[in-house]
Amino acid sequence: AQTVTQSQPEMSVQEAETVTLSCTYDTSESDYYLFWYKQPPSRQMILVIRQEAYKQQNATENRFSVNFQKAAKSFSLKISDSQLGDAAMYFCAYRPGGNYGGSQGNLIFGKGTKLSVKP
Amino acid sequence: DAMVIQNPRYQVTQFGKPVTLSCSQTLNHNVMYWYQQKSSQAPKLLFHYYDKDFNNEADTPDNFQSRRPNTSFCFLDIRSPGLGDAAMYLCATSRGLATYNEQFFGPGTRLTVL
Repeated sequence: AQTVTQSQPEMSVQEAETVTLSCTYDTSESDYYLFWYKQPPSRQMILVIRQEAYKQQNATENRFSVNFQKAAKSFSLKISDSQLGDAAMYFCAYRPGGNYGGSQGNLIFGKGTKLSVKP
Repeated sequence: DAMVIQNPRYQVTQFGKPVTLSCSQTLNHNVMYWYQQKSSQAPKLLFHYYDKDFNNEADTPDNFQSRRPNTSFCFLDIRSPGLGDAAMYLCATSRGLATYNEQFFGPGTRLTVL
C-alpha cells in the first residue's frame, strides 16, 4: 500500500526567509503524481504545486518549488521569501497515475506540517 | 467565482441523532468526494461520486451514507453519530477521475458530537 510521511509536525520560519518542508512516500508504482496542498486556518484546502513522476524537472510555482528525488522517494517543498499569508497546514499527497473509477486512484495524504511565519 | 460550498460550517449534534452535511459546487464537475479529517490527522476519503456512480471506500463505516441528487449537490448522511465521528468533513470536486484533474476543496464542516 502507498504511504505518505511528513516527519515535521510543525515548522517555523521568519518572514522573508526560506523554509523547506519534507515529505517521503512509498510506492511500487512508476506512474504517479505528487501534490502539496495548503490548508489555512478555517479556510479551504488549495493546491500549491504538483509534480508528475515521469517528469525529471522539478515543478515551480512562483515562490514555491519542489525537490523531487524519485529514487529516494522524496518530495520536499521549498517556500522562498516567506509571507505571513503562507502560515497554514501543508499536506503532501500522492495519487497513482491513470484514470480510475475505484479506490486505486485515491489521493493519499500525509499527516501535515503546520507552518508558522514570524513577522 | 466558481467554488465548492459547504453548509453548515459548524454542526453540533447529539450522540445517535442523524445529521446531514451539505456540499454544492458551481464548477459543474463530474466527481464529488467526501473526506473525513480528524484532529491532527490526514484527510481520509470516505466515498466519491462520478456522476451518479457511487464508490464507497472499503473501510468507510456503514453509518456513513451519501446522496447526489444532481450534478451540483452532494450530501453526507451520518445515521447514528458516535463520539468518534467528531471531525472536519471536507467536500471536494474534480472534473474527472484521471490523476491530472485537480481536486477543489470546500472549506469543510466541523462536526461536534455531544
